[in-house]
Amino acid sequence: SAVISQKPSRDICQRGTSLTIQCQVDSQVTMMFWYRQQPGQSLTLIATANQGSEATYESGFVIDKFPISRPNLTFSTLTVSNMSPEDSSIYLCSGTNRGFTEAFFGQGTRLTVV
Amino acid sequence: KNEVEQSPQNLTAQEGEFITINCSYSVGISALHWLQQHPGGGIVSLFMLSSGKKKHGRLIATINIQEKHSSLHITASHPRDSAVYICAVWTSGGSNYKLTFGKGTLLTVNP
Repeated sequence: SAVISQKPSRDICQRGTSLTIQCQVDSQVTMMFWYRQQPGQSLTLIATANQGSEATYESGFVIDKFPISRPNLTFSTLTVSNMSPEDSSIYLCSGTNRGFTEAFFGQGTRLTVV
Repeated sequence: KNEVEQSPQNLTAQEGEFITINCSYSVGISALHWLQQHPGGGIVSLFMLSSGKKKHGRLIATINIQEKHSSLHITASHPRDSAVYICAVWTSGGSNYKLTFGKGTLLTVNP
């Protein structure tokens, strides 16, 4: 199975600034996803990161707020832009193999916006 | 109504007890995952099921596709099992696959 290294593990940021979260996979994965978990809530899909093209965003999430890059099959970044306290959440990346029989997860980034 | 429902939301047990966490889903799925989330937020995949039963150490997961129900059992529970356990299902809309998550079950095992 693949191992995903996610950085940073936590950060405290000022409102109005941006934070980029990175996920590095130790092997190629077919698809990569970015999730948000607000306090007390379940994980919610932000977008599917597509290699070499624009990410596919879920309803309620937009590229200007959450730009995503995936330049190759082992690396992706999520930026949380122009942050407000409402963006305080855990952000998580995950990957899957071709047959969707395995799912791999990063360690999560706990973001606090003050 | 959520597509993935877990019960109970919170569970407190004494060390050594047998624990069951339930998951029901209302959509067609290709597979179901049981995940463990630690206090720092990191998630570990415990099982992926598409039918039947799987066992790993003290953990057992079962799924009934017809009834759209899965259970996670922990035998001889231990305080280190304390975590949030999350059920997640693979759903697809055309060529788009995504995981839909339950809200999780917070398990606390007391010594």
